[in-house]
Amino acid sequence: TQLLEQSPQFLSIQEGENLTVYCNSSSVFSSLQWYRQEPGEGPVLLVTVVTGGEVKKLKRLTFQFGDARKDSSLHITAAQPGDTGLYLCAGAQGGSNYKLTFGKGTLLTVNP
Amino acid sequence: DTAVSQTPKYLVTQMGNDKSIKCEQNLGHDTMYWYKQDSKKFLKIMFSYNNKELIINETVPNRFSPKSPDKAHLNLHINSLELGDSAVYFCASSQLDGYGYTFGSGTRLTVV
Repeated sequence: TQLLEQSPQFLSIQEGENLTVYCNSSSVFSSLQWYRQEPGEGPVLLVTVVTGGEVKKLKRLTFQFGDARKDSSLHITAAQPGDTGLYLCAGAQGGSNYKLTFGKGTLLTVNP
Repeated sequence: DTAVSQTPKYLVTQMGNDKSIKCEQNLGHDTMYWYKQDSKKFLKIMFSYNNKELIINETVPNRFSPKSPDKAHLNLHINSLELGDSAVYFCASSQLDGYGYTFGSGTRLTVV
C-alpha cells in the first residue's frame, strides 16, 4: 500500500518558472519531511514540518503542511537549473522517527 | 567531515555470492537504517537499529542480515545474492527525537 502519493511524477520546466509539487495521503502524519536527491547521491533533507497548517520558507522554496497533517506541498519560485533533482516527501507516523515512509518522488528538470 | 559514509560505492557480483556493505556515522545519532531504492527510485525501509538494538525488520528475506557492533556502525550482509537484489542501498542515521535523516551516498549493487 502506497501511503504517500506524489504528483506530478515528472516535471520539466524552463528557468524562471514557478512550480508546485504535491504530496498526499489518507493517513495522518506526526511530521513530514522533504528531501532532494541528485544522481549518484543520497537524499538530502530540505525541511521538516510538524504542525498542521505550518508554512516554512527556505529561500525560493516554500513548504506547507496541510491542516489535517495528511498532505504537503513544495512550491519553488523562479526555478533555476540547480534545482534539478528528485524531490521526495516522507512521513513519520505515531510520533516515532524510527520509520519514514517515502513517496515515489517527483523528478524535476529545470532547463536553462 | 561529519557524515554517514558507506562502502563500497559500487559492487558487482555474481548470483549466489555473499557480500557485505559497511556503514559508519560520526554524527552521534542514536538510530541507523538501511533503505533499498529500486530502479523506479522508490525508497523502502529494510531495517532500523536504535543503540545497537534491532527495532524494525520490514519483511526482508533472511538472506539479509544487519549487524550493529556499536551505535556508530550498521553493516549489511547479504547471502546467496539473487538478480532481484540489484538496487541502490542507502544507509541513514537520525537522532531518536530528531526530525531528519542523514543519508549516505549509496551502494549500487549489481548482481549478474
